Parts: sequence; C-alpha cells; structure tokens
Amino acid sequence: SQTIHQWPATLVQPVGSPLSLECTVEGTSNPNLYWYRQAAGRGLQLLFYSVGIGQISSEVPQNLSASRPQDRQFILSSKKLLLSDSGFYLCAWSTGFSGANVLTFGAGSRLTVL
Amino acid sequence: QKEVEQDPGPLSVPEGAIVSLNCTYSNSAFQYFMWYRQYSRKGPELLMYTYSSGNKEDGRFTAQVDKSSKYISLFIRDSQPSDSATYLCAMKYGNNRLAFGKGNQVVVIP
Repeated sequence: SQTIHQWPATLVQPVGSPLSLECTVEGTSNPNLYWYRQAAGRGLQLLFYSVGIGQISSEVPQNLSASRPQDRQFILSSKKLLLSDSGFYLCAWSTGFSGANVLTFGAGSRLTVL
Repeated sequence: QKEVEQDPGPLSVPEGAIVSLNCTYSNSAFQYFMWYRQYSRKGPELLMYTYSSGNKEDGRFTAQVDKSSKYISLFIRDSQPSDSATYLCAMKYGNNRLAFGKGNQVVVIP
C-alpha cells in the first residue's frame, strides 16, 4: 500500500532563518507531488507541484522553493523565512491527472515563524 | 479569486442528527466534486467524489451535486462524535487543478 511521510511535524523558526520540509512517498512510482499551505481561514493554497524528477511548477510567487531530487521525494525550502510563512504545510500525491485526480495528503508540518 | 464558497461554520449538532454541508461555485469548468475530511492537526483525507449531477451514497455519507445551480452538498446521517472534523469541498478543473473551499468545522456533541 502507498504511504506518504512528512517531517518535521512541528517546527518553530525565527524570521530570516532557512527552512527545509521533506516529503516522501512509498509504494508507488512516478507520482505527481504537491505542496499546499493551509493558513487559518484561508483554505488550501497550492504552492508547487511536480510531475517528475527535477520538474517543478510554481503556483504562487514567494520566497519558497521546491525540489524533487528523487522520484518519490519532494522538498520545500526557503533561504529566509518571513512571518507570513507561518502555516500548516501539506504534501500530497496523486497517480495521474485523469479522472478526479484524487490527492492523498501527508499528516502535515506546522510551521511557526517568530 | 473566490471560485469556491464554503461557510466555515462552526456547526454544532447533537449526536444522531443529520449534518448538512454545502459549497457553491462559479466556474462552469469544474468537472469533479470531492469532499475531504480533516481532523485537527492532520492532513485531509478523501471521503468521496462524484462527477455528475445527482446523489452518491457511501454508508452514512451522501454527496449531492447540482451543476445547474453550481451547488454541492454533503449529508452525514446519524452523526457520531467521531465525525467531528473540518470538511472541505474541492473541485477539479483543467488538467490537474483543484479548487478548495475554506472548510466547514463540524462538532458533534455526545
């Protein structure tokens, strides 16, 4: 069966510090991978998605970046965090774009920037 | 751009009551309509999805889509305390885009 792992689960970072969130998927090959941010009262915002190694599409211009160094690994990074980067970050995967494109989410990483 | 409108609630109901949730949308290009459930501090999980107008049942859950009115609903029968969660509607458009509602918090009181 397929599983998705995200870490760390919780982190508190000072403004201006770097960020690295990691996501891995097991039990599937060549998944589509996604990073979402969920801020209070604002719903789910798509940040990045990837259809393959090294292929990243950015949805929202910001100080975050994403990388996909391996087929089932997706990393969200920042060189300098802003207060506005606080939120709940969710990694997700899907098998393809046909049909409903159902997403399976990880447990999330809660980031607080102070 | 507010494509999907969902009243955030919270909605409190007694155990055993019917929970009724809904979303409205404006984009006629939406193709698939989904409901996700999200427990506190967890990622969303898919409850069910449907493509066409009408009803779809899965146990105590019924999803309803009315494309002519651009309105979707989720009904939970015989609600249980374990149903207490945030429910998000989502709609697919284009190749791989999903538009999510803001989520509706439901509290089922024992």
